[in-house]
Amino acid sequence: DAGVIQSPRHEVTEMGQEVTLRCKPISGHNSLFWYRQTMMRGLELLIYFNNNVPIDDSGMPEDRFSAKMPNASFSTLKIQPSEPRDSAVYFCASSLGDSSYEQYFGPGTRLTVT
Amino acid sequence: AQKITQTQPGMFVQEKEAVTLDCTYDTSDPSYGLFWYKQPSSGEMIFLIYQGSYDQQNATEGRYSLNFQKARKSANLVISASQLGDSAMYFCAMRESQGFQKLVFGTGTRLLVSP
Repeated sequence: DAGVIQSPRHEVTEMGQEVTLRCKPISGHNSLFWYRQTMMRGLELLIYFNNNVPIDDSGMPEDRFSAKMPNASFSTLKIQPSEPRDSAVYFCASSLGDSSYEQYFGPGTRLTVT
Repeated sequence: AQKITQTQPGMFVQEKEAVTLDCTYDTSDPSYGLFWYKQPSSGEMIFLIYQGSYDQQNATEGRYSLNFQKARKSANLVISASQLGDSAMYFCAMRESQGFQKLVFGTGTRLLVSP
């Protein structure tokens, strides 16, 4: 299996621009998670989906952030407009959905907003 | 209150020695799971080991074992026979049944293995 795939791996953009991060979960996994990692705040869960439905988006920092999962094999995290404080590594993870199963992480997208 | 506490920002160990990375947790949920992940300098998050709150025995995976002390609410990771490739950040995480599948992570411990 290819594992969780994220694109792009690196993104540099200017403040005010729209940024879209993409994720393809492991085939057969029915839960998908978006995390953000910063030095200041560590690893934070932003949102997660189960069977393509958003279950908990309480971690989404503000309305500038939105996430979608149009089908079982694709999800996006969009930031519009982006700000320098959004600079972080964004991870996507997927799991089989049962409480005992681990989450498999993608390689992450390193976002830099100047 | 912090759900997951890792009090060791950094740890040093010599190659071939064993090392224990501390993790304490806080929950009132009787059903929960504890996880350890490794993050090498390349940045990916690698799952290491899982312990369920009702598991009678401590989890083991190769050189990794989890010292689960339920009454103390601790879930320390023990790495035996350390290797240079074990140098990385290590994160403890918890999932509560009431939180569906939400994982809460600790702040991590940076382990450095020296020759």
